[in-house]
Amino acid sequence: AQTVTQSQPEMSVQEAETVTLSCTYDTSESDYYLFWYKQPPSRQMILVIRQEAYKQQNATENRFSVNFQKAAKSFSLKISDSQLGDAAMYFCAYRSPENTDKLIFGTGTRLQVFP
Amino acid sequence: ETGVTQTPRHLVMGMTNKKSLKCEQHLGHNAMYWYKQSAKKPLELMFVYSLEERVENNSVPSRFSPECPNSSHLFLHLHTLQPEDSALYLCASSQIGGWEQYFGPGTRLTVT
Repeated sequence: AQTVTQSQPEMSVQEAETVTLSCTYDTSESDYYLFWYKQPPSRQMILVIRQEAYKQQNATENRFSVNFQKAAKSFSLKISDSQLGDAAMYFCAYRSPENTDKLIFGTGTRLQVFP
Repeated sequence: ETGVTQTPRHLVMGMTNKKSLKCEQHLGHNAMYWYKQSAKKPLELMFVYSLEERVENNSVPSRFSPECPNSSHLFLHLHTLQPEDSALYLCASSQIGGWEQYFGPGTRLTVT
């Protein structure tokens, strides 16, 4: 069975600085999908970025980028030029191509952003 | 209303009560999900409905009973809950096989 591990329960960053959130996963599949979701306080969870395992190029969405290391089964999220609105819980998630309805989540990392 | 809505946002119930959580999606999706979010634990997928048929039930106790009357609505009926069932219950929807699941704001449930 696949598992997702986020080893950092909490992280903090100064406004305008860069922060990296870690995620590792375990799977025997060669093709799969990885996601980072953001859950702001008392607000809906939204998709931040996704990565297809067959793509070597790291995904980027504006200030958000990933460092996908397939051999190491690592999928970290880098937030550049951090803003106060980036403060949230961040969840890493895995999806198998065999079961596209099922997302397997990590325990989350709470990110605080200080002015 | 847009996106995925959930009512109520907060619910306090005793162990002998019966209540229902409601989810509605306005995105034209054909798959809907119930998740349980507890502190310091990964989100747990409880139920999946695809084209209004239940396709996944992850060993959820029978005191949780889902209902999907149509592709836009999803209910979670609750009865004789336990204090450990206190959590944030999230609803989500997607297109079958689509990339993204769209989440509602959740119902914060407290069982006393």
